[in-house]
Amino acid sequence: EVQLVESGGGLVQPGGSLRLSCAASGFTFSTYAMIWVRQTPGRGLEWVSGVSASGDSTYYADSVKGRFTISRDNSKNTFHLQMNSLRVEDTAMYYCTKELWQNHVPQGPFDHWGQGTLVTVSA
Amino acid sequence: QSTLTQPASVSGSPGQSITISCTITSSDIAGYNYVSWYQQHPGKAPRLIIFDVTNRPSGVSDRFSGFKSDNTASLTISGLQAEDEAEYYCSSALFGSTFFGGGTSLTVL
Repeated sequence: EVQLVESGGGLVQPGGSLRLSCAASGFTFSTYAMIWVRQTPGRGLEWVSGVSASGDSTYYADSVKGRFTISRDNSKNTFHLQMNSLRVEDTAMYYCTKELWQNHVPQGPFDHWGQGTLVTVSA
Repeated sequence: QSTLTQPASVSGSPGQSITISCTITSSDIAGYNYVSWYQQHPGKAPRLIIFDVTNRPSGVSDRFSGFKSDNTASLTISGLQAEDEAEYYCSSALFGSTFFGGGTSLTVL
């Protein structure tokens, strides 16, 4: 059974940093791209960042480019989102998701989702 | 402006069929069949129910079907059931970027 478990969310002040992690199991992690998607009540679902199966290619939404860094460790079946220079508008539930197709560009469809980790950016 | 536009809400009675539209305003992605649909119940993570316009993942009821014509995709739910009451999102993608519609709230009367 595929499982994705996020961690690392919390309350942080504007300008601060957080590192989200996602632990994956139940599939051959090293052959699937992985993606972070966030959700806010006002803005719905928003694709944030994706990383290829090998980790060589990364993709970012314009809203986080230059502030967030995605990475993965295929030896530990985990991937991460380092979030720097956080803004109030980054407040959201962050989901880690798995690409449906093996060795595909991390652009969906996303066939498995974690339960999410809440990030709150507030003074 | 949103790249994928959905109605804010739709409703239907049990047993009826409803259709949710998703208008793709970007010509860059309208020509591709990378349309997916996700169902989300309150407090839960989204769930993939349709991918590549018409395909259902294993375990998804055949009451869910997808279609696309030109720049408009649609999700039809037939034989509405109370459990179908949820938020539905369309999604499309190109060159490593993914876009979501604003979501449609389905109420089963």
